[in-house]
Amino acid sequence: GQQVMQIPQYQHVQEGEDFTTYCNSSTTLSNIQWYKQRPGGHPVFLIQLVKSGEVKKQKRLTFQFGEAKKNSSLHITATQTTDVGTYFCAGLFTSGTYKYIFGTGTRLKVLA
Amino acid sequence: DGGITQSPKYLFRKEGQNVTLSCEQNLNHDAMYWYRQDPGQGLRLIYYSQIVNDFQKGDIAEGYSVSREKKESFPLTVTSAQKNPTAFYLCASKEQGRGSQPQHFGDGTRLSIL
Repeated sequence: GQQVMQIPQYQHVQEGEDFTTYCNSSTTLSNIQWYKQRPGGHPVFLIQLVKSGEVKKQKRLTFQFGEAKKNSSLHITATQTTDVGTYFCAGLFTSGTYKYIFGTGTRLKVLA
Repeated sequence: DGGITQSPKYLFRKEGQNVTLSCEQNLNHDAMYWYRQDPGQGLRLIYYSQIVNDFQKGDIAEGYSVSREKKESFPLTVTSAQKNPTAFYLCASKEQGRGSQPQHFGDGTRLSIL
């Protein structure tokens, strides 16, 4: 079936260190979205990637979509305590449908 | 996110009881979703609806039912057939068309078994 695997499951970093989470799909994705969920909160949309090889930046966050549109990554430079939370990717397998498959998430803890 | 209201925030279910979780949105979104989140895990799709009076099963629909009689409302019923209902339930909505749009989530309902 359609699956989106996300690694690592957990990541603890010292404040100021970099952080990366990866998503991998078994089949080609139409697009991929990234969400952040703070502890006790709900997922909040960060960004969407659509094109093969696309790279987008939001301040210290860099998002990439693989050339084959099967994988994606989120990189945070110089983490801050405000980056704490769980980061999810969500893949759309079929364009024009509304069904997204979420990855299992990467839980980030930042040690001050 | 503003515009999506889930209630109640906490809900307790007795054995053999059906319970209904409310989800209302005033964003004029066509698509609505129900996800289940277990501790330390990702979101799994229960049901989704692209339009009024139509809905589709997600990956874990067994033991759940939904209705979409109005555009603004997409209630989820957790039936007694769902043997492990304790989880965090999230409702989301999305604008239709104009390419893919982000999902906007409500604050969630935490369901526990008494």
